[in-house]
Amino acid sequence: SQTIHQWPATLVQPVGSPLSLECTVEGTSNPNLYWYRQAAGRGLQLLFYSVGIGQISSEVPQNLSASRPQDRQFILSSKKLLLSDSGFYLCAWSRVSGAADTQYFGPGTRLTVL
Amino acid sequence: GNSVTQMEGPVTLSEEAFLTINCTYTATGYPSLFWYVQYPGEGLQLLLKATKADDKGSNKGFEATYRKETTSFHLEKGSVQVSDSAVYFCALSDNTNAGKSTFGDGTTLTVKP
Repeated sequence: SQTIHQWPATLVQPVGSPLSLECTVEGTSNPNLYWYRQAAGRGLQLLFYSVGIGQISSEVPQNLSASRPQDRQFILSSKKLLLSDSGFYLCAWSRVSGAADTQYFGPGTRLTVL
Repeated sequence: GNSVTQMEGPVTLSEEAFLTINCTYTATGYPSLFWYVQYPGEGLQLLLKATKADDKGSNKGFEATYRKETTSFHLEKGSVQVSDSAVYFCALSDNTNAGKSTFGDGTTLTVKP
């Protein structure tokens, strides 16, 4: 069966510090990968998605970046965090296929920028 | 582009009450429709889905029918329980956009004993 991991689970960082959040998927190969942010009491905002190693598409301009160094690894980074980067970050994967498919979400990382 | 509009919350019900959460969508082509549920402090998980018009998705007593004529996918449950308290997201996905999904803003449901 497939599983998706995210770490850390919670993170408190000062403004201006760097960020690295990691997501890994097990039990599948060549998945589509996604990073979402969920602000408090709000819906999901798609930040990045990837259809393959080294292929990253950005949905919104921001000071965050994403990388996919391996097939089942997806990393969200920032060189300098802003207060507005606080939120709940969710990684998700879906199968690569011609049909629309379910997204499978990780447990999330709660980021607080102070 | 694609969009999903959900009934605004929060929704508060007593145990065993009937639940409806409205969801309408705008999409090009023929999307699949989903309901996801998010329990406090957790990621989202699939609740049910429907892949074509008139399909009914069901799971854990929840149901939703894909209505192409009204572009809707309303979530219903006949008798809610305290354990159903969560945030519910309606979403759509089509096969033309790298598998990306479009999510509604979520509806918070609280069920009181």
